[in-house]
Amino acid sequence: AQTVTQSQPEMSVQEAETVTLSCTYDTSESDYYLFWYKQPPSRQMILVIRQEAYKQQNATENRFSVNFQKAAKSFSLKISDSQLGDAAMYFCAYLEYGNKLVFGTGTILRVKS
Amino acid sequence: GAVVSQHPSRVICKSGTSVKIECRSLDFQATTMFWYRQFPKQSLMLMATSNEGSKATYEQGVEKDKFLINHASLTLSTLTVTSAHPEDSSFYICSARQAGGGRTDTQYFGPGTRLTVL
Repeated sequence: AQTVTQSQPEMSVQEAETVTLSCTYDTSESDYYLFWYKQPPSRQMILVIRQEAYKQQNATENRFSVNFQKAAKSFSLKISDSQLGDAAMYFCAYLEYGNKLVFGTGTILRVKS
Repeated sequence: GAVVSQHPSRVICKSGTSVKIECRSLDFQATTMFWYRQFPKQSLMLMATSNEGSKATYEQGVEKDKFLINHASLTLSTLTVTSAHPEDSSFYICSARQAGGGRTDTQYFGPGTRLTVL
């Protein structure tokens, strides 16, 4: 079964600075999708960004961008100009065949003012 | 667009009673809905996949008779925790995948339901 690993249980960043959250995954598939979800204290899961594996170009959504390294099976999230509202638990997820999302263990991001 | 609601947001019940949680896609049709369970500061654990008009597919280790899932329409799925016990206390989250596409469709999540069994 596919697995998703987030090796950073917690990260901290100063407001307005940049932080990168790591994610690696294991799969034998060539066609798949990767996601980053944000879960703030309200616990509502919010889609941050999505990447199709067949696209070489890294996905970008405003201050959020990914570094997708398919050969290395790495999918990191970069948050630029961090804001207090970015503080949350971030989950990396892989879309498995059969449409099941496989989540990593999450990274708690703290933003310091 | 792509809003998913859950009701109730919080429920407290006595041990032995049953609790029903509703998951609705408000502005799209969802052929597939998913039910997750999440413990504090942990990841989401998929419990079952619910397809409209058919029986749910449960993940290994999830008791079908304890967690009854019904997906009667393209906008509504329900999870019933039967004969709830304190160990069933948890945060339950549903997600919905929009109809019409394949595996590329994104899942949209509901706000979750906190269940406390006394």
